[in-house]
Amino acid sequence: DAKTTQPNSMESNEEEPVHLPCNHSTISGTDYIHWYRQLPSQGPEYVIHGLTSNVNNRMASLAIAEDRKSSTLILHRATLRDAAVYYCIRSNFNKFYFGSGTKLNVKP
Amino acid sequence: GAVVSQHPSRVICKSGTSVKIECRSLDFQATTMFWYRQFPKQSLMLMATSNEGSKATYEQGVEKDKFLINHASLTLSTLTVTSAHPEDSSFYICSAYSGGFSDTQYFGPGTRLTVL
Repeated sequence: DAKTTQPNSMESNEEEPVHLPCNHSTISGTDYIHWYRQLPSQGPEYVIHGLTSNVNNRMASLAIAEDRKSSTLILHRATLRDAAVYYCIRSNFNKFYFGSGTKLNVKP
Repeated sequence: GAVVSQHPSRVICKSGTSVKIECRSLDFQATTMFWYRQFPKQSLMLMATSNEGSKATYEQGVEKDKFLINHASLTLSTLTVTSAHPEDSSFYICSAYSGGFSDTQYFGPGTRLTVL
């Protein structure tokens, strides 16, 4: 199965770090991992993507396991605006494979 | 990040009419554009992949004669829902991809279609 596996939902407290897991055990050597987040009635927003090494940007960090069969999106300090559905996606050139997403709830 | 626009953002039409949705990549050239539909509380479902200058590739179960896709330029793709019916009511989202191996896709804001 080319899709990724994510928990249906997670909860976090505001100002605390959040680790969102993703399983992609059948990933191939050339597949990238992408993360997007989506608010209701909006298109998904790009968060981060990477191949093998851990990646950092202003929004988040992406930690990819050494065997690449899993990855973790890290939000360093959750805010209420981070509450969204987070999608972990595998890609190989122009083929993108969606999972079902994790709904993140952030408590004040 | 790159910007992708969609127009219209919301459309209400009568059953039997056709509706056209435009998707534009505003600041990069998109060799590939994707069209998705999303039902409430569900993930995005890929409908078709369109490459500039060639025919779209439709996913299994998606009627190509009902959902007409045109990708005439590197910055514009259109989806036309022909003879729309209430069951076609959904959230339609496009995305654009520049084609590089390490590139990602950027999504438009979506179009809410309601067929009465």
